[in-house]
Amino acid sequence: DAGITQSPRHKVTETGTPVTLRCHQTENHRYMYWYRQDPGHGLRLIHYSYGVKDTDKGEVSDGYSVSRSKTEDFLLTLESATSSQTSVYFCAITEQGSGELFFGEGSRLTVL
Amino acid sequence: KQEVTQIPAALSVPEGENLVLNCSFTDSAIYNLQWFRQDPGKGLTSLLLIQSSQREQTSGRLNASLDKSSGRSTLYIAASQPGDSATYLCAVILGDDKIIFGKGTRLHILP
Repeated sequence: DAGITQSPRHKVTETGTPVTLRCHQTENHRYMYWYRQDPGHGLRLIHYSYGVKDTDKGEVSDGYSVSRSKTEDFLLTLESATSSQTSVYFCAITEQGSGELFFGEGSRLTVL
Repeated sequence: KQEVTQIPAALSVPEGENLVLNCSFTDSAIYNLQWFRQDPGKGLTSLLLIQSSQREQTSGRLNASLDKSSGRSTLYIAASQPGDSATYLCAVILGDDKIIFGKGTRLHILP
């Protein structure tokens, strides 16, 4: 499973509150990704990182920020959560060498 | 712009049948193609990765093929079982590290 853990796995919050989701990996992979998955839209890339302090935007980055201060942790922050950000969020890594993509178990976020 | 399409969106077949899931993409300049399965409420599990120089990969009852020139990949499942019921997604990995997902085929194996 490439040693990926996401936390929290479930969160319910209110509109306007900040939320941080954490993705932790144990195998020193360089590339890490945050996706959201919604019915009818499939998987959409929010942000990705190609190394410590190196991040870039995906196709649905508005309202989200990320940080990667250590190789093993990639944080996704919603500065002021909105109901449209209710979704399941997945972290993924690319295995160096093969290029194979592995996903975490997901974090289900509900914004009321 | 690369687009990835999976048709049909849903499929039901009786147990024991062999079946083929399709994935098509619009730009043949891909790096890798990967198939995943996703069970309800779960993450994506990697099934098979086909690198651009390869034509197919096999794992157990699964066989995935890749034809870059025609923009197609197929996932063949032999002797289907109820436990194969899941959503199957394909993803195209481009040379600039962009990854484009299809929306998946929801497979239901009837006991």
